[in-house]
Amino acid sequence: GENVEQHPSTLSVQEGDSAVIKCTYSDSASNYFPWYKQELGKGPQLIIDIRSNVGEKKDQRIAVTLNKTAKHFSLHITETQPEDSAVYFCAASFGNSGYALNFGKGTSLLVTP
Amino acid sequence: DGGITQSPKYLFRKEGQNVTLSCEQNLNHDAMYWYRQDPGQGLRLIYYSQIVNDFQKGDIAEGYSVSREKKESFPLTVTSAQKNPTAFYLCASSMVGPGELFFGEGSRLTVL
Repeated sequence: GENVEQHPSTLSVQEGDSAVIKCTYSDSASNYFPWYKQELGKGPQLIIDIRSNVGEKKDQRIAVTLNKTAKHFSLHITETQPEDSAVYFCAASFGNSGYALNFGKGTSLLVTP
Repeated sequence: DGGITQSPKYLFRKEGQNVTLSCEQNLNHDAMYWYRQDPGQGLRLIYYSQIVNDFQKGDIAEGYSVSREKKESFPLTVTSAQKNPTAFYLCASSMVGPGELFFGEGSRLTVL
């Protein structure tokens, strides 16, 4: 399947600081790029997504940017709070798997008070 | 409430036994998926189905089987041929076409 690389694998920030997670993908036909948050022992939940015809999308403290030419996209969380601590996954869809998502390996974010 | 229900949440089995994990959704979604999650490995696609009575293999289908006899249901069988079955299994559903996957709460299988 499509290769989705995610960095860093772990990230520790102080409360109130910003956190940035980056992903790259290999298939230039990908057109949908979601970000999921997973809390311990639970299923992932969508927090924000972006489609290939848009370069940036923002929802309160969370933003995603997409650079289709370079094939990378990033998650930005501003004014981090302890409840933002979780594992975050990026993903990319592509047509030949019925629009299933290929996921990065995840980033474990820790926000310390 | 609309959503995806996976059962059981925890399952223990002896080596060599087949195990079936249940996944039911009432979101009226056409597409359903099974992913496997191991520590540090992200989510890997096992099988997916876009329509009743049809399904396709994902990246790691060996040792697994599925059926899609009803729109609402997509059970996964972990067979004795799966060499390392201990993992967290996630079921998801979506409308057909690139868009959000809705996940269940997962089933944790431990093979002793």
